[in-house]
Amino acid sequence: GNSVTQMEGPVTLSEEAFLTINCTYTATGYPSLFWYVQYPGEGLQLLLKATKADDKGSNKGFEATYRKETTSFHLEKGSVQVSDSAVYFCALILNTGTASKLTFGTGTRLQVTL
Amino acid sequence: GAVVSQHPSRVICKSGTSVKIECRSLDFQATTMFWYRQFPKQSLMLMATSNEGSKATYEQGVEKDKFLINHASLTLSTLTVTSAHPEDSSFYICSASIYGTNYGYTFGSGTRLTVV
Repeated sequence: GNSVTQMEGPVTLSEEAFLTINCTYTATGYPSLFWYVQYPGEGLQLLLKATKADDKGSNKGFEATYRKETTSFHLEKGSVQVSDSAVYFCALILNTGTASKLTFGTGTRLQVTL
Repeated sequence: GAVVSQHPSRVICKSGTSVKIECRSLDFQATTMFWYRQFPKQSLMLMATSNEGSKATYEQGVEKDKFLINHASLTLSTLTVTSAHPEDSSFYICSASIYGTNYGYTFGSGTRLTVV
């Protein structure tokens, strides 16, 4: 079956530090990959996505590259801010129509301090 | 574009009562909506897939008689927690997909249900 594995949190960083949150996946086929962010008490927001190998998704200073050879989609940001504190979910979906289900990782909590 | 509105954001109810949560796609038609449950500091657990005009498909272990899902139109799906008990207290989130795209899914802002 399909699965997503994320590094366990929480991840605690000082402001302006470099961020990496690891994500690897297993899938029967060629999935699209996503990073979602959840701020406290809120739903999920799409942060970035990549739909094929070697695609780089980017948004708000965050980046992730779809690496088929390592089945990875690691999230990076060069300089985090306190406002980036949230839970980040890596997810995949196989392109088999709108009834396809998102498969989520367990989420990684990021806490950024001054 | 692609906004999903979920209401209420918070609800407190007494044990034994039923609670309805609404999920609306505001600017697109959603043939499929999904309902998730999230426990504190955990990931999202898919409860069911809601298809417009047909019965919902429930995930294994989810009681369909307890969590009633209705998707009567292309813009509205509802989740009713029947005869709620304290163990049903949780954060419920809906999401919707846009037909013909692989943009992932748009999520509602969630509903915090507390059963007392």
